[in-house]
Amino acid sequence: AQSVSQHNHHVILSEAASLELGCNYSYGGTVNLFWYVQYPGQHLQLLLKYFSGDPLVKGIKGFEAEFIKSKFSFNLRKPSVQWSDTAEYFCAVIGNSGYSTLTFGKGTMLLVSP
Amino acid sequence: DAMVIQNPRYQVTQFGKPVTLSCSQTLNHNVMYWYQQKSSQAPKLLFHYYDKDFNNEADTPDNFQSRRPNTSFCFLDIRSPGLGDAAMYLCATSRDWASGLYEQYFGPGTRLTVT
Repeated sequence: AQSVSQHNHHVILSEAASLELGCNYSYGGTVNLFWYVQYPGQHLQLLLKYFSGDPLVKGIKGFEAEFIKSKFSFNLRKPSVQWSDTAEYFCAVIGNSGYSTLTFGKGTMLLVSP
Repeated sequence: DAMVIQNPRYQVTQFGKPVTLSCSQTLNHNVMYWYQQKSSQAPKLLFHYYDKDFNNEADTPDNFQSRRPNTSFCFLDIRSPGLGDAAMYLCATSRDWASGLYEQYFGPGTRLTVT
C-alpha cells in the first residue's frame, strides 16, 4: 500500500526565511506527486505537481519542489516566505498506472510571523 | 468562477440520526470524490464516481453511502452517524481518471459534528 510521510507537523518561520518541507513516499511503482495548500478558511488547492520530465518543478507563488527518485522524496521549497504563506501544506502521491488513488500526508502547518 | 461547492459548511447531527452532505460542481468533470479528514490526519478517500460508476474504497464503512444523480451533484449519506464520524468531509472533482494525470479540485468541506 502506498503511503506519504511529512516530516514536520508544525513549522514556524519569520518572514524572509527560507522554507523546506520534507515529504517521503512509499509506492511500488511510478508515481505522480503533488503539493496542495490550504490557506486558513479556504479549500485545498494545487500548489504544484510532478508527472514526468524535469524533477525540479515550479509552482505558484514562488514555490518549487524537487523529485529525487532514489530517495523517494518530493520536498517543497521557497527561498523567502511571506506572512501570506501561512497555511497547511499537504504532500500527495498517486500511482500513474492501473488503479491508484490519491494518498495524502498528514500535512504540515506553516506559521510565518511578520 | 467554476468551482466545487459544498453545503452546508457546518452540520450538526445527533448520534444515529441520518445525515446527507451535498456537493455540486460547475466544472463538468467526470469524476467526483468524497474524502474524510479527521483532526490532524490526512484526507482519506471514501469513494468516487467515474461518471455514473461508483467505486467504494475497501475500508469505507457500510454506514457511508453516496449518490450521484447527475454530472453536477454528488451526495454523501451517513446512515447512522457515530461519534467517530465527526470530521471534515471534502468533495473533489477531476476531469478524468486516467491514473492520476488529472488534478483534483476540492470544495471547502463540510465539518460534521455528532452529538
